[in-house]
Amino acid sequence: QVQLQESGPGLVKPSQTLSLTCTVSGDSINSGSYYWSWIRQPAGKGLEWIGRSHTSGSTNYNPSLKSRVSISIDRSKNQFSLKLTSMTAADTAVYYCTREIPSGGDSVGAHWGQGTLVTVSS
Amino acid sequence: DIQVTQSPSSLSASVGDRVTITCRASQSIRNYLHWYQQKPGKAPNLLIYGASTLQSGVPSRFSGRGSGTDFTLTISSLQPEDFATYYCQQGYSTPKTFGQGTRVEIK
Repeated sequence: QVQLQESGPGLVKPSQTLSLTCTVSGDSINSGSYYWSWIRQPAGKGLEWIGRSHTSGSTNYNPSLKSRVSISIDRSKNQFSLKLTSMTAADTAVYYCTREIPSGGDSVGAHWGQGTLVTVSS
Repeated sequence: DIQVTQSPSSLSASVGDRVTITCRASQSIRNYLHWYQQKPGKAPNLLIYGASTLQSGVPSRFSGRGSGTDFTLTISSLQPEDFATYYCQQGYSTPKTFGQGTRVEIK
């Protein structure tokens, strides 16, 4: 059973860059045709899809964040990562990593990490 | 971006009730609609994908229907463990937008 675990700083200063890592266990990040994605959720609010990287390396980002976000895969460590620049208080949220599995012509987030809270504050 | 409107935003129901949540997309998304359940302090859990396919391990009291722009999630007989927040998500195009969520509370 694949498991995902987010890690990174819980506190980031305004204007800094957030770097989060998702460690995948129970399966190789190179196996299959999957998307590895990031989703966030401000406290008491809904879910926002940030973006994803395919096993092949192609990426898709939310246009609302596109100029600030990058997602990459480190195959040697079985990890993928999120970088979000120019952080502000509005980026304070729980960040989830997920594995999207193929579903017809689509893909769906079937596996989620437990989430990690990131607070932006000086 | 495709907008996804979920209703109601919250509802109160009793154990044993039949509950229906609706999701409407701003354009046709074929059957690329997924449903998640989220309990407080936990990550969302996939219930239904492709509008109507039950994820492995999900009880059969959950069902999904719809295609195009209108979709429903139905819980046939609400159980105590079903009190949670439910989200729909469209998978037709990126960004993969979510509905605002429906909080199911105990009456």
